[in-house]
Amino acid sequence: KAGVTQTPRYLIKTRGQQVTLSCSPISGHRSVSWYQQTPGQGLQFLFEYFSETQRNKGNFPGRFSGRQFSNSRSEMNVSTLELGDSALYLCASSPGGEEPYEQYFGPGTRLTVT
Amino acid sequence: AQKITQTQPGMFVQEKEAVTLDCTYDTSDQSYGLFWYKQPSSGEMIFLIYQGSYDEQNATEGRYSLNFQKARKSANLVISASQLGDSAMYFCAMRGRSSGGSYIPTFGRGTSLIVHP
Repeated sequence: KAGVTQTPRYLIKTRGQQVTLSCSPISGHRSVSWYQQTPGQGLQFLFEYFSETQRNKGNFPGRFSGRQFSNSRSEMNVSTLELGDSALYLCASSPGGEEPYEQYFGPGTRLTVT
Repeated sequence: AQKITQTQPGMFVQEKEAVTLDCTYDTSDQSYGLFWYKQPSSGEMIFLIYQGSYDEQNATEGRYSLNFQKARKSANLVISASQLGDSAMYFCAMRGRSSGGSYIPTFGRGTSLIVHP
Protein backbone atom coordinates (compact mmCIF):
# COMPACT_ATOMS: atom_id res chain seq x y z
CA LYS A 1 0.00 0.00 0.00
CA ALA A 2 1.19 3.48 -0.73
CA GLY A 3 1.81 5.64 2.31
CA VAL A 4 0.44 9.04 3.19
CA THR A 5 1.47 11.68 0.69
CA GLN A 6 1.61 15.41 1.21
CA THR A 7 2.08 18.18 -1.29
CA PRO A 8 3.92 20.38 -1.60
CA ARG A 9 6.91 19.32 0.50
CA TYR A 10 8.29 22.82 0.86
CA LEU A 11 6.63 26.19 0.63
CA ILE A 12 7.71 29.77 1.12
CA LYS A 13 5.04 32.40 1.56
CA THR A 14 4.86 36.02 2.56
CA ARG A 15 3.10 37.32 5.64
CA GLY A 16 -0.54 38.09 4.88
CA GLN A 17 -0.87 35.53 2.10
CA GLN A 18 -2.86 32.35 2.32
CA VAL A 19 -1.75 28.77 1.69
CA THR A 20 -3.37 25.42 0.94
CA LEU A 21 -1.72 22.13 1.81
CA SER A 22 -2.85 18.76 0.50
CA CYS A 23 -2.85 15.27 2.00
CA SER A 24 -3.73 11.91 0.46
CA PRO A 25 -4.28 9.20 3.08
CA ILE A 26 -3.49 5.52 2.88
CA SER A 27 -6.02 3.73 0.71
CA GLY A 28 -8.99 2.66 2.81
CA HIS A 29 -8.28 5.07 5.64
CA ARG A 30 -11.17 7.41 6.33
CA SER A 31 -9.67 9.60 9.03
CA VAL A 32 -7.19 12.38 8.34
CA SER A 33 -5.61 14.51 11.04
CA TRP A 34 -3.43 17.58 10.74
CA TYR A 35 -0.67 18.67 13.08
CA GLN A 36 1.64 21.64 13.39
CA GLN A 37 5.17 20.99 14.62
CA THR A 38 7.45 23.79 15.80
CA PRO A 39 10.58 23.76 17.98
CA GLY A 40 8.87 25.93 20.56
CA GLN A 41 5.44 24.31 20.86
CA GLY A 42 6.20 20.76 19.77
CA LEU A 43 3.59 18.73 17.97
CA GLN A 44 0.12 20.24 18.21
CA PHE A 45 -3.13 18.82 16.94
CA LEU A 46 -5.00 21.02 14.48
CA PHE A 47 -8.07 19.03 13.47
CA GLU A 48 -9.35 15.66 12.35
CA TYR A 49 -11.68 14.83 9.50
CA PHE A 50 -13.66 11.65 9.16
CA SER A 51 -16.05 10.93 6.32
CA GLU A 52 -15.89 14.55 5.11
CA THR A 53 -16.82 15.94 8.54
CA GLN A 54 -14.61 17.67 11.03
CA ARG A 55 -14.71 15.34 14.01
CA ASN A 56 -12.32 17.14 16.30
CA LYS A 57 -10.51 20.42 16.51
CA GLY A 58 -7.48 21.62 18.43
CA ASN A 59 -6.91 25.02 19.92
CA PHE A 60 -5.99 27.03 16.84
CA PRO A 61 -7.50 30.27 15.53
CA GLY A 62 -10.07 30.31 12.77
CA ARG A 63 -7.39 31.20 10.22
CA PHE A 64 -6.66 27.49 10.16
CA SER A 65 -9.31 25.49 8.35
CA GLY A 66 -9.61 22.23 6.53
CA ARG A 67 -11.83 20.00 4.52
CA GLN A 68 -12.05 16.42 3.39
CA PHE A 69 -13.28 15.14 0.07
CA SER A 70 -15.32 12.05 -0.71
CA ASN A 71 -12.15 10.13 -1.61
CA SER A 72 -10.77 10.95 1.89
CA ARG A 73 -8.15 13.33 0.52
CA SER A 74 -7.85 16.39 2.72
CA GLU A 75 -6.70 19.96 2.43
CA MET A 76 -5.86 22.48 5.07
CA ASN A 77 -5.85 26.20 4.53
CA VAL A 78 -4.16 28.94 6.47
CA SER A 79 -5.29 32.47 5.73
CA THR A 80 -3.54 35.73 6.56
CA LEU A 81 -0.24 34.03 7.26
CA GLU A 82 1.84 35.18 10.23
CA LEU A 83 5.54 34.64 10.86
CA GLY A 84 4.62 32.26 13.69
CA ASP A 85 2.89 29.95 11.22
CA SER A 86 6.28 28.80 9.98
CA ALA A 87 6.32 25.12 10.87
CA LEU A 88 6.30 21.56 9.68
CA TYR A 89 2.71 20.56 8.93
CA LEU A 90 2.09 16.87 9.26
CA CYS A 91 -0.86 14.92 8.02
CA ALA A 92 -1.76 11.52 9.45
CA SER A 93 -4.30 8.94 8.41
CA SER A 94 -5.94 6.11 10.26
CA PRO A 95 -8.74 3.66 9.53
CA GLY A 96 -11.14 5.77 11.57
CA GLY A 97 -14.07 4.49 13.52
CA GLU A 98 -14.17 4.85 17.28
CA GLU A 99 -11.05 2.97 18.29
CA PRO A 100 -7.86 4.91 19.15
CA TYR A 101 -6.16 3.57 16.05
CA GLU A 102 -2.52 4.26 15.40
CA GLN A 103 -1.91 6.99 12.88
CA TYR A 104 0.38 6.87 9.89
CA PHE A 105 2.10 10.11 9.08
CA GLY A 106 3.11 11.69 5.82
CA PRO A 107 6.49 13.32 5.21
CA GLY A 108 5.13 16.76 6.05
CA THR A 109 5.05 20.15 4.37
CA ARG A 110 7.62 22.61 5.62
CA LEU A 111 6.11 26.09 5.47
CA THR A 112 8.27 29.16 5.81
CA VAL A 113 6.58 32.54 6.20
CA THR A 114 8.74 35.58 5.50
CA ALA B 1 -7.57 17.28 29.90
CA GLN B 2 -4.86 14.92 28.76
CA LYS B 3 -1.15 15.34 29.27
CA ILE B 4 1.96 13.44 28.19
CA THR B 5 5.27 14.00 29.98
CA GLN B 6 8.62 12.91 28.64
CA THR B 7 11.22 13.93 31.19
CA GLN B 8 14.34 12.97 29.21
CA PRO B 9 15.19 15.62 26.61
CA GLY B 10 18.18 13.56 25.45
CA MET B 11 19.47 10.04 25.91
CA PHE B 12 22.69 8.33 24.87
CA VAL B 13 23.17 4.60 24.45
CA GLN B 14 25.92 2.33 23.21
CA GLU B 15 25.20 0.28 20.13
CA LYS B 16 23.75 -3.18 20.93
CA GLU B 17 22.65 -2.11 24.42
CA ALA B 18 19.05 -1.70 25.57
CA VAL B 19 17.56 1.70 26.39
CA THR B 20 14.37 2.80 28.13
CA LEU B 21 12.60 6.04 27.17
CA ASP B 22 10.24 7.32 29.85
CA CYS B 23 6.68 8.46 29.35
CA THR B 24 4.01 9.31 31.90
CA TYR B 25 0.49 10.36 31.07
CA ASP B 26 -2.45 11.92 32.77
CA THR B 27 -6.05 11.37 31.82
CA SER B 28 -9.40 10.85 33.45
CA ASP B 29 -10.54 8.64 30.57
CA GLN B 30 -11.00 4.93 31.10
CA SER B 31 -10.52 4.10 27.43
CA TYR B 32 -7.43 5.39 25.67
CA GLY B 33 -4.55 4.35 23.48
CA LEU B 34 -0.83 4.93 23.99
CA PHE B 35 1.59 5.20 21.10
CA TRP B 36 5.24 5.69 20.39
CA TYR B 37 6.55 7.33 17.25
CA LYS B 38 10.06 7.81 15.89
CA GLN B 39 11.03 10.92 13.97
CA PRO B 40 14.40 10.75 12.19
CA SER B 41 16.11 13.91 11.02
CA SER B 42 14.23 13.58 7.72
CA GLY B 43 11.08 14.66 9.57
CA GLU B 44 8.69 11.81 8.88
CA MET B 45 6.92 10.36 11.92
CA ILE B 46 7.11 6.57 12.03
CA PHE B 47 4.64 4.57 14.09
CA LEU B 48 6.41 2.10 16.39
CA ILE B 49 4.04 0.53 18.88
CA TYR B 50 0.54 0.77 20.36
CA GLN B 51 -0.91 -0.16 23.76
CA GLY B 52 -4.60 -0.05 24.55
CA SER B 53 -5.69 0.91 28.04
CA TYR B 54 -7.52 -2.39 28.46
CA ASP B 55 -4.68 -4.54 27.16
CA GLU B 56 -3.28 -6.68 29.96
CA GLN B 57 -0.16 -7.75 28.11
CA ASN B 58 2.64 -5.32 27.30
CA ALA B 59 2.83 -4.61 23.59
CA THR B 60 5.87 -5.77 21.64
CA GLU B 61 6.95 -5.11 18.06
CA GLY B 62 10.29 -6.59 17.14
CA ARG B 63 12.97 -4.79 19.15
CA TYR B 64 10.40 -2.42 20.65
CA SER B 65 8.36 -3.15 23.75
CA LEU B 66 6.09 -0.94 25.77
CA ASN B 67 6.32 -1.26 29.55
CA PHE B 68 2.75 -0.35 30.51
CA GLN B 69 2.09 0.32 34.18
CA LYS B 70 -1.49 1.53 34.36
CA ALA B 71 -1.58 2.32 38.08
CA ARG B 72 1.50 4.50 37.69
CA LYS B 73 0.21 5.95 34.40
CA SER B 74 3.47 5.19 32.69
CA ALA B 75 4.15 3.82 29.21
CA ASN B 76 7.89 3.51 28.80
CA LEU B 77 9.42 2.41 25.51
CA VAL B 78 12.18 -0.18 25.66
CA ILE B 79 14.46 -0.60 22.66
CA SER B 80 16.57 -3.72 22.80
CA ALA B 81 19.88 -4.17 20.98
CA SER B 82 20.15 -0.53 19.86
CA GLN B 83 21.31 0.17 16.34
CA LEU B 84 22.90 3.29 14.86
CA GLY B 85 19.73 3.80 12.82
CA ASP B 86 17.73 4.17 16.03
CA SER B 87 19.18 7.65 16.52
CA ALA B 88 16.13 9.93 16.26
CA MET B 89 13.51 11.83 18.24
CA TYR B 90 10.98 9.62 19.99
CA PHE B 91 7.49 10.83 20.83
CA CYS B 92 5.03 9.32 23.26
CA ALA B 93 1.41 10.03 22.43
CA MET B 94 -2.04 9.29 23.71
CA ARG B 95 -5.45 9.26 22.13
CA GLY B 96 -8.24 9.58 24.64
CA ARG B 97 -11.93 10.21 24.25
CA SER B 98 -12.94 13.84 24.22
CA SER B 99 -16.14 15.18 25.75
CA GLY B 100 -17.61 15.04 22.26
CA GLY B 101 -17.00 11.30 22.11
CA SER B 102 -14.17 11.21 19.61
CA TYR B 103 -10.56 10.35 20.24
CA ILE B 104 -8.12 13.26 20.32
CA PRO B 105 -4.33 12.99 20.29
CA THR B 106 -1.81 14.49 22.67
CA PHE B 107 1.94 14.28 22.11
CA GLY B 108 4.86 14.63 24.49
CA ARG B 109 7.78 16.96 23.77
CA GLY B 110 9.96 14.08 22.70
CA THR B 111 13.27 12.46 23.67
CA SER B 112 16.31 12.69 21.45
CA LEU B 113 18.12 9.36 21.34
CA ILE B 114 21.70 9.10 20.12
CA VAL B 115 23.23 5.69 19.61
CA HIS B 116 27.03 5.58 19.82
CA PRO B 117 29.06 2.99 17.92
